[in-house]
Amino acid sequence: GENVEQHPSTLSVQEGDSAVIKCTYSDSASNYFPWYKQELGKRPQLIIDIRSNVGEKKDQRIAVTLNKTAKHFSLHITETQPEDSAVYFCAAVLRNDSGSRLTFGEGTQLTVNP
Amino acid sequence: DSGVTQTPKHLITATGQRVTLRCSPRSGDLSVYWYQQSLDQGLQFLIQYYNGEERAKGNILERFSAQQFPDLHSELNLSSLELGDSALYFCASSWGGSSYNEQFFGPGTRLTVL
Repeated sequence: GENVEQHPSTLSVQEGDSAVIKCTYSDSASNYFPWYKQELGKRPQLIIDIRSNVGEKKDQRIAVTLNKTAKHFSLHITETQPEDSAVYFCAAVLRNDSGSRLTFGEGTQLTVNP
Repeated sequence: DSGVTQTPKHLITATGQRVTLRCSPRSGDLSVYWYQQSLDQGLQFLIQYYNGEERAKGNILERFSAQQFPDLHSELNLSSLELGDSALYFCASSWGGSSYNEQFFGPGTRLTVL
């Protein structure tokens, strides 16, 4: 079916280390892949997105890579800080008979230990 | 603050009851999306409206319905409530009708069904 799979479900790193979260998607026509950060009890907030015309995008300590052939994309956070602790969701636009919609992965709980 | 507002913030009700959740999109945005987030779950897309018309439908139960009014605010109606309907309900808005546009999330309504 149409879905987005995200791994790992939990990730614990030491402050200053890097964190990598990976997602795969099913719809080969999908061409928009946002990443959202959700702190406890708060709304999801877009932190970075990538469209299929590029393979990588960076914004300070955050980068996203996309491999359209393999249908997977990844979030990379370098020099992690305690305030990076949150749930991170990947998403992809998937299509079905009732239109296209943003489909989210199950989320990754990232904990950055001081 | 994303500019998307949702009311109420919290709602506690009993099984079998009906509730209405309200969302006002960012100024200038024409699309409203509704998502359900159950405990420790990802974001499940329910439905999208664009400029007053239904644009895309997800896994929305028949007991749930939504509409978007001429002033572009939207309401999500949940009826015959069950315990399993307890969740955070988010709305998001975007300027265009495509799911490829960045979506801005509201603060959510936490629904508790007792």
